[in-house]
Amino acid sequence: NAGVTQTPKFRVLKTGQSMTLLCAQDMNHEYMYWYRQDPGMGLRLIHYSVGEGTTAKGEVPDGYNVSRLKKQNFLLGLESAAPSQTSVYFCASTLGDRGRGNQPQHFGDGTRLSIL
Amino acid sequence: LAKTTQPISMDSYEGQEVNITCSHNNIATNDYITWYQQFPSQGPRFIIQGYKTKVTNEVASLFIPADRKSSTLSLPRVSLSDTAVYYCLLRPLWGALTFGSGTRLQVQP
Repeated sequence: NAGVTQTPKFRVLKTGQSMTLLCAQDMNHEYMYWYRQDPGMGLRLIHYSVGEGTTAKGEVPDGYNVSRLKKQNFLLGLESAAPSQTSVYFCASTLGDRGRGNQPQHFGDGTRLSIL
Repeated sequence: LAKTTQPISMDSYEGQEVNITCSHNNIATNDYITWYQQFPSQGPRFIIQGYKTKVTNEVASLFIPADRKSSTLSLPRVSLSDTAVYYCLLRPLWGALTFGSGTRLQVQP
């Protein structure tokens, strides 16, 4: 049972390049989230999904797109990377509304992205 | 905008009990109070969650007064490995979390 797996773990991009970050969970969770964390700060929500085929904007969605074509995967895309998007990106998942009383979010170990 | 307020940092020594208090004056009826721990270069890790009164698990206790406007995370007998950032969060109905800057706990020998 791997939990939440993020790939890649590290990446350096040039301004204007595009890339996709992959998040995979093997816990049959309904809800998935993408956060970013800048140095010395807490995590900020970029986008989230409450089920396969659905996505919604979070606190800082500009410059990012997401897709949830399969329940176990949540993809985060940067169409034209900017230096301001240099950050650590965390994916998380949780069971969903059925079990909201006792179900915490499970986080991956992050993707460190540097944009030059 | 963070909905919780907690100390920026705390220092302790090995073997001591550490209590981190969090205020959340505008907590909603459906919000659960959730605490996470984060080590450098790792994702946040769930510690404990509660709605009211007291919750205890194998690593911590969470005390919540009747008005739910604050909560206290209690870590018994901390060790060096408990040095981390601790986040107090309110967990709404659909589960997305709003992180503040957390409390940096430094445990010394």
